[in-house]
Amino acid sequence: EADIYQTPRYLVIGTGKKITLECSQTMGHDKMYWYQQDPGMELHLIHYSYGVNSTEKGDLSSESTVSRIRTEHFPLTLESARPSHTSQYLCASSEWTVGIQYFGAGTRLSVL
Amino acid sequence: ELKVEQNPLFLSMQEGKNYTIYCNYSTTSDRLYWYRQDPGKSLESLFVLLSNGAVKQEGRLMASLDTKARLSTLHITAAVHDLSATYFCAVDSSGGSNYKLTFGKGTLLTVNP
Repeated sequence: EADIYQTPRYLVIGTGKKITLECSQTMGHDKMYWYQQDPGMELHLIHYSYGVNSTEKGDLSSESTVSRIRTEHFPLTLESARPSHTSQYLCASSEWTVGIQYFGAGTRLSVL
Repeated sequence: ELKVEQNPLFLSMQEGKNYTIYCNYSTTSDRLYWYRQDPGKSLESLFVLLSNGAVKQEGRLMASLDTKARLSTLHITAAVHDLSATYFCAVDSSGGSNYKLTFGKGTLLTVNP
């Protein structure tokens, strides 16, 4: 059983607000990922990290930013939320042997 | 740029029937993953296939990989309602141990009584 936690699960905010989506894992995995998924659609990688102080942008351009100061923590921040940011955000971490990614429960974000 | 294509995207089948979901990818890779997602939930790992000819089975699901054809299949045997979910394949495009995955669009499977 993977231990990866995302908070909040649901968030409704107004345009222009700054938000941070939290993601933590207790498995000691070096690699962590953020995906964006619209309902019924595929996952798009928006950020990833191979370890502390390492962050890279993913395949889908995103206005969000991430940080990785501790192995277990990989928060995602939107400085000024817009309705186009409405989506589900999934965090994952990867074990080192064969690369299986374990996913958190996700944050459903609605920007009004 | 790696492209991953699944078909069909929608599959409605009766309980007890067999069917196959296909996953094609466009560039060389020797690691392919299958995940399941229930409505409103997150993704759960089903299989990881690591070499040409790899076959994995769990219950009524069997996955295989042909790296030469760049094709993976997920075969469903004698479907039951509990298998209703969206199934994603994902391919590692990074090489080495970076494990950067590109996902297909997913196949929404509905199993009817």
